[in-house]
Amino acid sequence: AQSVTQLDSHVSVSEGTPVLLRCNYSSSYSPSLFWYVQHPNKGLQLLLKYTSAATLVKGINGFEAEFKKSETSFHLTKPSAHMSDAAEYFCVVSDLTGSARQLTFGSGTQLTVLP
Amino acid sequence: DGGITQSPKYLFRKEGQNVTLSCEQNLNHDAMYWYRQDPGQGLRLIYYSQIVNDFQKGDIAEGYSVSREKKESFPLTVTSAQKNPTAFYLCASSIWGMNTEAFFGQGTRLTVV
Repeated sequence: AQSVTQLDSHVSVSEGTPVLLRCNYSSSYSPSLFWYVQHPNKGLQLLLKYTSAATLVKGINGFEAEFKKSETSFHLTKPSAHMSDAAEYFCVVSDLTGSARQLTFGSGTQLTVLP
Repeated sequence: DGGITQSPKYLFRKEGQNVTLSCEQNLNHDAMYWYRQDPGQGLRLIYYSQIVNDFQKGDIAEGYSVSREKKESFPLTVTSAQKNPTAFYLCASSIWGMNTEAFFGQGTRLTVV
């Protein structure tokens, strides 16, 4: 069975400082991994995805993530936080269970950006 | 513009009533999904469908029902058997494959009054 652990439920940073949101996963196969962002009362928007190509993945709005198989991690980073980055972030693993494709979501990390 | 449309955005239900949440997509995706979101619990899968006229239970299907009569549409009915239906419901769709991302609608917030 696959699982995703987001290590911090809340992260608070000052505007202009780096962002680090941590995600560990477990999977029986070579997984696909995604980061999504959700603003209040909105749907989820894809930030970036890893699909076994380059281990450093660049996404939208200056975010990037590095896939580290040895550490089973897929942490999300951004060099400089902006006020508009304040939102909830979800790490997601995609795997095959029998013939069914399953998306497993982490419990989310709420990012607060302080002025 | 291609995308997923959920309606209504807000829905109020009296106890004992069934309600249906609409989800329509024009992305030509084969797979569609319904998730329930509660604070601090991430998203939990209710039902999913890989093709028309076929659907499978997810992790929390009890008290819910779905249909998939058309490729574009995947409505979710919250029945009176669902004891705690107040939540944010998200519909998603994707190409059926390992490496493809899911696209999400804007959600429906259901409240029992």
